[in-house]
Amino acid sequence: GQNIDQPTEMTATEGAIVQINCTYQTSGFNGLFWYQQHAGEAPTFLSYNVLDGLEEKGRFSSFLSRSKGYSYLLLKELQMKDSASYLCAAASGGYNKLIFGAGTRLAVHP
Amino acid sequence: DAGITQSPRYKITETGRQVTLMCHQTWSHSYMFWYRQDLGHGLRLIYYSAAADITDKGEVPDGYVVSRSKTENFPLTLESATRSQTSVYFCASSESILGDVNYGYTFGSGTRLTVV
Repeated sequence: GQNIDQPTEMTATEGAIVQINCTYQTSGFNGLFWYQQHAGEAPTFLSYNVLDGLEEKGRFSSFLSRSKGYSYLLLKELQMKDSASYLCAAASGGYNKLIFGAGTRLAVHP
Repeated sequence: DAGITQSPRYKITETGRQVTLMCHQTWSHSYMFWYRQDLGHGLRLIYYSAAADITDKGEVPDGYVVSRSKTENFPLTLESATRSQTSVYFCASSESILGDVNYGYTFGSGTRLTVV
């Protein structure tokens, strides 16, 4: 079957670093996406990993280990505006479309 | 303006009624998708389309019908709405089935549907 797990909620302090983990079990894996979604808004793209390793984009980095079925999103220098849900999504199954996790709700406090 | 637009933003309907949610994109993207988002479930794929007149089922297609007679439009119809279809519906588009490696999917603003 296909399964994507990520923590439901996390809290962090402004200026700190937070790591949001995602584990996946899929067949025909073709990459791992991270999206950000503010309350009441549409998801917006953050990153894409298909090879093992770390991809860095400014304050955000994403890591993938294909052998472990594991990814994480690292957010540095947290700002209040980073309070949002973070969705992990893996290309899964023979039809090769995205399957989303339930999302991690991150609350950043002063 | 270029973009992807959904209408209506909010809709309340009664059980048993037919409802159509609209999605329009101006990029001529080949792929379009309909997702529903419910608390605790994340985004679940209902239907997708690879091009005009080509559609296929996703994870949760029961009770929904789609069509794509033109590349830019991808309406979703609930043939006989049920309370379990109360949800937020997102339309998305992309040039590839996985989304662009730099931009992913582009999502519309969503339609919040309540079935009473």
